[in-house]
Amino acid sequence: AQKITQTQPGMFVQEKEAVTLDCTYDTSDPSYGLFWYKQPSSGEMIFLIYQGSYDQQNATEGRYSLNFQKARKSANLVISASQLGDSAMYFCAMRGRFGSARQLTFGSGTQLTVLP
Amino acid sequence: ETGVTQSPTHLIKTRGQQVTLRCSSQSGHNTVSWYQQALGQGPQFIFQYYREEENGRGNFPPRFSGLQFPNYSSELNVNALELDDSALYLCASSPGGTSGEGETQYFGPGTRLLVL
Repeated sequence: AQKITQTQPGMFVQEKEAVTLDCTYDTSDPSYGLFWYKQPSSGEMIFLIYQGSYDQQNATEGRYSLNFQKARKSANLVISASQLGDSAMYFCAMRGRFGSARQLTFGSGTQLTVLP
Repeated sequence: ETGVTQSPTHLIKTRGQQVTLRCSSQSGHNTVSWYQQALGQGPQFIFQYYREEENGRGNFPPRFSGLQFPNYSSELNVNALELDDSALYLCASSPGGTSGEGETQYFGPGTRLLVL
């Protein structure tokens, strides 16, 4: 079974500063994908970034980067130069390759608030 | 390119009733997944459809059922509604094919269901 743990229910960051949102995972799948989604109060889940378990380099997408430490089973999201519009709920998710692991499993989320 | 759309946006039902939620997948996507997101929690996988066939199911009772149509749009049906069914229901589409672990799912805005 897959499991995603997000230990920070809420985080605050000053505008223009960087912030790291933590995510640890557990899986028995040898091959898996890790995702981060942003969910504003409107409800829509917005895809941010993807990291494959066999990718040699950490993924980056604009101001988002994923700090992937496979041995520690962690996949932290780093947001650089925070903006007020970054205030939202952030979910870490994973997907395996085989059987029931192919479904997307989400963590409980971190509510990020960017302060002016 | 049209994104994932869902209807209705909001719905109020009473316990014991039946409800149908609809989802149109993103252009070029043949796989649709449905998720239930209770307040303050991460989304939970309900089931997935690939080319009109159910392709995986989460831990939900049989009163949750679905369909996928030849144009890859999809319906989620819930019979005998219970108070705990109150949630945000999210639909996600993906390109399908090999269903590899790296396949990204793109979400619609969701339907907020309230059961009284």
